[in-house]
Order: sequence, then C-alpha cells, then structure tokens
Amino acid sequence: GAGVSQSPSNKVTEKGKDVELRCDPISGHTALYWYRQRLGQGLEFLIYFQGNSAPDKSGLPSDRFSAERTGESVSTLTIQRTQQEDSAVYLCASSSSAGLGQPQHFGDGTRLSIL
Amino acid sequence: GENVEQHPSTLSVQEGDSAVIKCTYSDSASNYFPWYKQELGKRPQLIIDIRSNVGEKKDQRIAVTLNKTAKHFSLHITETQPEDSAVYFCAASKPTGNQFYFGTGTSLTVIP
Repeated sequence: GAGVSQSPSNKVTEKGKDVELRCDPISGHTALYWYRQRLGQGLEFLIYFQGNSAPDKSGLPSDRFSAERTGESVSTLTIQRTQQEDSAVYLCASSSSAGLGQPQHFGDGTRLSIL
Repeated sequence: GENVEQHPSTLSVQEGDSAVIKCTYSDSASNYFPWYKQELGKRPQLIIDIRSNVGEKKDQRIAVTLNKTAKHFSLHITETQPEDSAVYFCAASKPTGNQFYFGTGTSLTVIP
C-alpha cells in the first residue's frame, strides 16, 4: 500500500490476556518504530528496528512487551499479561534510510483498551 | 542521548493571528528537525521539516527557523485558521542511528 498500515485498528481485551499488534511499513523503508500514546499525552518511544541491525529496545516499559520484525517487512508488537495501564494508542512509523534526515510516516495506530 | 523540550504546552490564538511554538534540543549532533500535526484521533502527519544546513524554511503559512548555536527551532504559523487547531509535535534526529526524539506536544486552539 501507499502508507503505513496497522491492524487491528481497535482492540478490546480483558486484563491478563496477551495481544499482538501488527504493522506493515511503507515498502522499501528500512527503519520501523513503535510508539505508545496515552490519551492526551505525547509519543512514548518503545522500540526501533533498522534493517538487519539489532533493534533498539530501550523504550520497552517492561518484559511483558516484545516486538519482532522479519527483514524489512512486517513487525508485530506483543504485550503479554496485559494490564489496565497498557490502554493506549500504539503507533507504528517507518522511514527510509536512503539519506540523512528522512521523515517518519505514521500509521493510524491501534487503540488498545484493557478492561 | 537527546532531550527535546517543547513550549508552550497549550496555545490559544484568535483566527488570523500568528502562532509560534518553540523547541530546544540538547545534542549538537542532531541535524534533522521535523514538525508533526496531529488532529484529534488521527495519525501524526509531517507538515514541515528543516535540516541543519539551513536556517529557515517556509511553506505557505508555515515556517520553521533553526538556530544551531542556541540549539533551538521554532514553528511559525501565520494567518491561523480554525483547521490549524491540533496538537503539534517537534522532533530531532541525529545522523547516526536515525532515532527520533519528540517534544511533549503543543495543543493549539484557533478561536474563530
């Protein structure tokens, strides 16, 4: 597609369940980012993938959070044993590394609600 | 690392007036500074960006200025319109690693 695609757009689940969020970056974009955005708040960095390099996981808030990316394609963000504080919009972005200073392009996000 | 601070957190202006949002950064190695607009319930969208080899960039009613010495950059919106109402985020990026550091956002309200 032309833009970053995320699925599902909305997810409601019970506390304690695991959830998996998916991101399809723009074709050819080597960099992929996950952010968390709580209601009315800013963008909280979670994890960053750049090509085949080891991901930067410095933003993951706990070991319940993990993410994978196969090559330069789809990424999945997994949250295990969800807690109510995990409720937020999870945004994915991708960017080209064709040159310095390439902008990020965001998906529409997944709105996660933990009951 | 890098620390990006953004001010003000909220801003209200009358339609037709100008709005200015300021950001500072801490790492002099940062060389790319995008601005994003996020309307309620929507994705952040790039509205303008500037690289460290220029001091100012303009696109119609939107302009960004960069002061590398002082390590700050600003977004200027002239002749504001109600549709400019949104949250604006600044960001800084370094040439190594392609990591982005975001400001905390400014909620702009344009009063008709």
